[in-house]
Amino acid sequence: AQSVTQLGSHVSVSEGALVLLRCNYSSSVPPYLFWYVQYPNQGLQLLLKYTSAATLVKGINGFEAEFKKSETSFHLTKPSAHMSDAAEYFCAVNVGGSARQLTFGSGTQLTVLP
Amino acid sequence: NAGVTQTPKFRVLKTGQSMTLLCAQDMNHEYMYWYRQDPGMGLRLIHYSVGEGTTAKGEVPDGYNVSRLKKQNFLLGLESAAPSQTSVYFCASSLGTGNTGANVLTFGAGSRLTVL
Repeated sequence: AQSVTQLGSHVSVSEGALVLLRCNYSSSVPPYLFWYVQYPNQGLQLLLKYTSAATLVKGINGFEAEFKKSETSFHLTKPSAHMSDAAEYFCAVNVGGSARQLTFGSGTQLTVLP
Repeated sequence: NAGVTQTPKFRVLKTGQSMTLLCAQDMNHEYMYWYRQDPGMGLRLIHYSVGEGTTAKGEVPDGYNVSRLKKQNFLLGLESAAPSQTSVYFCASSLGTGNTGANVLTFGAGSRLTVL
């Protein structure tokens, strides 16, 4: 079985500050990991994905995430928050590439304060 | 590029009524999915399809039916709507696992359903 835990359902940062959104996974086999972003009243968009090619993954809009097997983590970071980053962020895990076995975390709402 | 299109975007139903949500994709994707999104619960898979003419149950299939008669369309039906089905519904599609093994989904904009 696989699962994803996102620590913190709401995170607030000031504009220009570091963004850190936490994701821990549980999987009995090497996972594929994803971060998706959902802007208000829109569907989810892929930010970045980990497919075992490199542990540090760069995505769109300046976001990146590091796969740490020893910590079973895949935290999302951005050095400097922008107002446009305000959105809900979902971590997801897919084991074995199965169509069914894509599990989403419960989401983290990011607020960026001026 | 239309991507994944969902209709309708909003719908209000009374308990016991039926309705169908339509999802259409123009990317020639094999896999299609229906999720529901509820506050604090992330996305939960209702049903999915790995190809034309095939469907399978996801995590929360009860009260829903689906059909995939054409590769580009995936329909989600509610035969007798209940207030517990008030939610935002998302359709998604993917090529499948591809060369990397990673199943990357493309989502529609969502359909907000309220059951009174």
